[in-house]
Amino acid sequence: GIQVEQSPPDLILQEGANSTLRCNFSDSVNNLQWFHQNPWGQLINLFYIPSGTKQNGRLSATTVATERYSLLYISSSQTTDSGVYFCAVKEANKLIFGTGTLLAVQP
Amino acid sequence: KAGVTQTPRYLIKTRGQQVTLSCSPISGHRSVSWYQQTPGQGLQFLFEYFSETQRNKGNFPGRFSGRQFSNSRSEMNVSTLELGDSALYLCASSLGGTGGEQYFGPGTRLTVT
Repeated sequence: GIQVEQSPPDLILQEGANSTLRCNFSDSVNNLQWFHQNPWGQLINLFYIPSGTKQNGRLSATTVATERYSLLYISSSQTTDSGVYFCAVKEANKLIFGTGTLLAVQP
Repeated sequence: KAGVTQTPRYLIKTRGQQVTLSCSPISGHRSVSWYQQTPGQGLQFLFEYFSETQRNKGNFPGRFSGRQFSNSRSEMNVSTLELGDSALYLCASSLGGTGGEQYFGPGTRLTVT
């Protein structure tokens, strides 16, 4: 099956800083999603981005499907951005998740 | 449009008991998937239902089962609970195509004592 790796595993930022989270996957995919898991455990959809670039406010994402990676950019980080960020790819009607990046934004 | 709902939100059970969790998908979504999240294993796929049929199953023992009703609501059941079944159980819904964005519910946190 497809393997999904995320880096870095942990990231500590000062409020206002920018960051880049990376997701590598081992095979071609037609579905890639980025999620933010809130403190109560719910996975919040950030981007559905099998290829190309999308932006939503301070967040943007780019997937280069031919090179099997995706990047999530967070600009001007805020304390509310803290939490775990997951990327997931779809294989045979199931999502395969990476191990996540734990982001802590300090005031 | 209402999101994915899961009930109950929290549950405490004793080893050997069984439990049933419920998931109502977004209106119009026909696919429901279940995932288990634990600190040690991360997020793992349990099973996926589409139009009342199980299309895919993860690598979990037979104690884990599920079903989907004609209104697309889904239930999962865990029998003979073990301590290791303590986890956050997440349900996701999607329209059902091979691509298709999945949307998650708030989860059910199960504690087995």
